[in-house]
Amino acid sequence: SQQGEEDPQALSIQEGENATMNCSYKTSINNLQWYRQNSGRGLVHLILIRSNEREKHSGRLRVTLDTSKKSSSLLITASRAADTASYFCATDPTGANSKLTFGKGITLSVRP
Amino acid sequence: EPEVTQTPSHQVTQMGQEVILRCVPISNHLYFYWYRQILGQKVEFLVSFYNNEISEKSEIFDDQFSVERPDGSNFTLKIRSTKLEDSAMYFCATRLAIGELFFGEGSRLTVL
Repeated sequence: SQQGEEDPQALSIQEGENATMNCSYKTSINNLQWYRQNSGRGLVHLILIRSNEREKHSGRLRVTLDTSKKSSSLLITASRAADTASYFCATDPTGANSKLTFGKGITLSVRP
Repeated sequence: EPEVTQTPSHQVTQMGQEVILRCVPISNHLYFYWYRQILGQKVEFLVSFYNNEISEKSEIFDDQFSVERPDGSNFTLKIRSTKLEDSAMYFCATRLAIGELFFGEGSRLTVL
């Protein structure tokens, strides 16, 4: 079954450092999305990258997509303590009515 | 900013009891989803709903689960006879078309 799998499972960095999180998936996609979840809260969409795109930027976020390797990475530059959260990748196979399949998530801790 | 609203935020119930979780989607959104997250684990798809019918459901979404949109606004998830393993955070998510999902803050269900 199609599934986003992130690694590492947990990441601890110092404020100001960059955080890189990776996601692998198994089948073809229309787009891949990254979400953030603060503890006990709902998921918040961060960025979407389409299957015909290789890289996308949004503020301090940079997402890459390699469809040949079925993998994506999320880079957060100049991390802040407020970036501490869980991050999930989600694959969308066809868009519109299709379900998003989420990975297990990465717990990012940014030390002040 | 429009948001998805979920009630109740927390419900405690006895095993075997019926539970109804409610969601008010963003007004012009067309696609509705329920996901659940057992504490510290992955976000699991339950069901998608479009044009007043179920589009897709997962293996988790067995005969004990049902969804409906009775009044054109609320989108509800009913669990007919709760089990201990139904204890989880249940998230409603909606979207207009291809693209990001908007999540509610979740309903925490505790089955005793």
